[in-house]
Amino acid sequence: DAGVTQSPTHLIKTRGQQVTLRCSPKSGHDTVSWYQQALGQGPQFIFQYYEEEERQRGNFPDRFSGHQFPNYSSELNVNALLLGDSALYLCASSSWGTSLGSTEAFFGQGTRLTVV
Amino acid sequence: AQSVTQLGSHVSVSEGALVLLRCNYSSSVPPYLFWYVQYPNQGLQLLLKYTTGATLVKGINGFEAEFKKSETSFHLTKPSAHMSDAAEYFCAVTIRGQNFVFGPGTRLSVLP
Repeated sequence: DAGVTQSPTHLIKTRGQQVTLRCSPKSGHDTVSWYQQALGQGPQFIFQYYEEEERQRGNFPDRFSGHQFPNYSSELNVNALLLGDSALYLCASSSWGTSLGSTEAFFGQGTRLTVV
Repeated sequence: AQSVTQLGSHVSVSEGALVLLRCNYSSSVPPYLFWYVQYPNQGLQLLLKYTTGATLVKGINGFEAEFKKSETSFHLTKPSAHMSDAAEYFCAVTIRGQNFVFGPGTRLSVLP
């Protein structure tokens, strides 16, 4: 049983560019949440997707957008990259129906984004 | 809104010694509480969680935590530290239907 998979594992982008990160949830899960973890800090919630709709959003600018596909996988898009966007981006999957998505979440290994 | 504080950004213990990592939370409604561990260049792995019921919860790798509502705490302990316990530990809080709010983390070093 594959867990949460994220791609790519590492990425280097230039300021002003756009980036797309991908996440496949754990089998049986239908909810995907994205978190940003800056170096030396705890993860910060970006947004959550369920039934292909954004259900919750943290305090992140509109440059951060997402999408969820019918197979429950998800993408995180960041436009107009800033140096401060450099971080580990974590995807978490959970099951909305059994727990309203919040009694447990399984995390992927993350994508390390470096903006230069 | 919920929040989490973790006292001590870095804790060092000797191998075999007691591990105590502190977590205090703020929540206007009964929370769910979690401890996650993160090894270098890895994602987050769930150690244990408290949702309802018994306030002393046991997790993987010999860790346990006790939910104390009166103290708004959820401290993580392990009786005897092992070298493999060296990692970053995050306490997190959520309420039903909401996202996780993480603390800033505590780096645990285990000295030989």
